[in-house]
Amino acid sequence: EDQVTQSPEALRLQEGESSSLNCSYTVSGLRGLFWYRQDPGKGPEFLFTLYSAGEEKEKERLKATLTKKESFLHITAPKPEDSATYLCAVHPFGNAGNMLTFGGGTRLMVKP
Amino acid sequence: GAVVSQHPSWVICKSGTSVKIECRSLDFQATTMFWYRQFPKQSLMLMATSNEGSKATYEQGVEKDKFLINHASLTLSTLTVTSAHPEDSSFYICSASPGVYNSPLHFGNGTRLTVT
Repeated sequence: EDQVTQSPEALRLQEGESSSLNCSYTVSGLRGLFWYRQDPGKGPEFLFTLYSAGEEKEKERLKATLTKKESFLHITAPKPEDSATYLCAVHPFGNAGNMLTFGGGTRLMVKP
Repeated sequence: GAVVSQHPSWVICKSGTSVKIECRSLDFQATTMFWYRQFPKQSLMLMATSNEGSKATYEQGVEKDKFLINHASLTLSTLTVTSAHPEDSSFYICSASPGVYNSPLHFGNGTRLTVT
């Protein structure tokens, strides 16, 4: 069975304190791994897609990396506006269409 | 970029009434849309896959007679919560992708349903 586990569940950082969020996955075969950001009361906003081990993507203070078993979302010098829930999702070969399997998310709080 | 519009953003209804939620892909066609339910501080729970021109596919444990899904066109899917009860109160989110292989899903902004 495909599984996605995110850690930690919650993370508190001071502004400027860099850290990483983890997404571990177990799938029969990976078509793609996706990172989303979700603000309270809003739908998830697409951030990155990673397709193969060793791939990296960057956007402003965020960098996503992928290995064969996990993905990391690195946040460099975060600001309070980076506070949100970050969701990781995988597109396994076993899922029909573009259906994704989501992890539980990491709630990030950045204090000024 | 791909935009998904969901309406209404919030709705309050009385127990026993039905509520319809619309999900539209504004700048692309979507043969498949997905409906999720999200409880506070929890991740997305897939309810059903909406297929244009055919019946929806429901996840195990989701009552298809309570959550009616219609995908009548390539840009519109609707979720109707029938005979709503307070336990149906939740945050409902739809998503769609342009259909290109492995393209990311784009999400609507969700609908907060409160049943009194």
